Amino acid sequence: IAGITQAPTSQILAAGRRMTLRCTQDMRHNAMYWYRQDLGLGLRLIHYSNTAGTTGKGEVPDGYSVSRANTDDFPLTLASAVPSQTSVYFCASSPQGRGEQFFGPGTRLTVL
Amino acid sequence: TQLLEQSPQFLSIQEGENLTVYCNSSSVFSSLQWYRQEPGEGPVLLVTVVTGGEVKKLKRLTFQFGDARKDSSLHITAAQPGDTGLYLCAGAEGAGSYQLTFGKGTKLSVIP
Repeated sequence: IAGITQAPTSQILAAGRRMTLRCTQDMRHNAMYWYRQDLGLGLRLIHYSNTAGTTGKGEVPDGYSVSRANTDDFPLTLASAVPSQTSVYFCASSPQGRGEQFFGPGTRLTVL
Repeated sequence: TQLLEQSPQFLSIQEGENLTVYCNSSSVFSSLQWYRQEPGEGPVLLVTVVTGGEVKKLKRLTFQFGDARKDSSLHITAAQPGDTGLYLCAGAEGAGSYQLTFGKGTKLSVIP
């Protein structure tokens, strides 16, 4: 089934640990995104990539890093997790030149 | 930074009633999308509107883009419990823009 997969589905993490959230799409979309969704704050863009090999910072990039080695994969890394990074994380992708985004099922991350 | 204000934040109605959700901004968008998100899942694209004044219908849902492309509305006729969810509007800043500005959403509950 075409779409976006994210892993893990959920994770509980000790503060200070390193964590990588995985995102893979099979729609050959050029652009990919990482958002966090928090109650009362909505969806906030963390990082994005317009095409393989390029990345950019979104609204809330601090404490996160991304890479885009190929079209399909866009991992998000928390180098040293802090409790304020407790959130639901969504990966999304978008076809070139169009605004519509297609979202994965999300990763629920709890940092203790 | 462009902002999208959604109203109301919360809406609880009886099955069979009609409702309208609003999405407003002081900025012009090249296109605007509406998404629905159910608990534990990622947002799912419902519709994209591109032309000022455009009206699109999706079964019992009617979407309108304002003439000046600064606002949009979603009208649901004869709401059903299956319409329950978080409705998000999102705007693209320029033609071909890869990034979206999301509203914080309207949480709709349809009571049987």
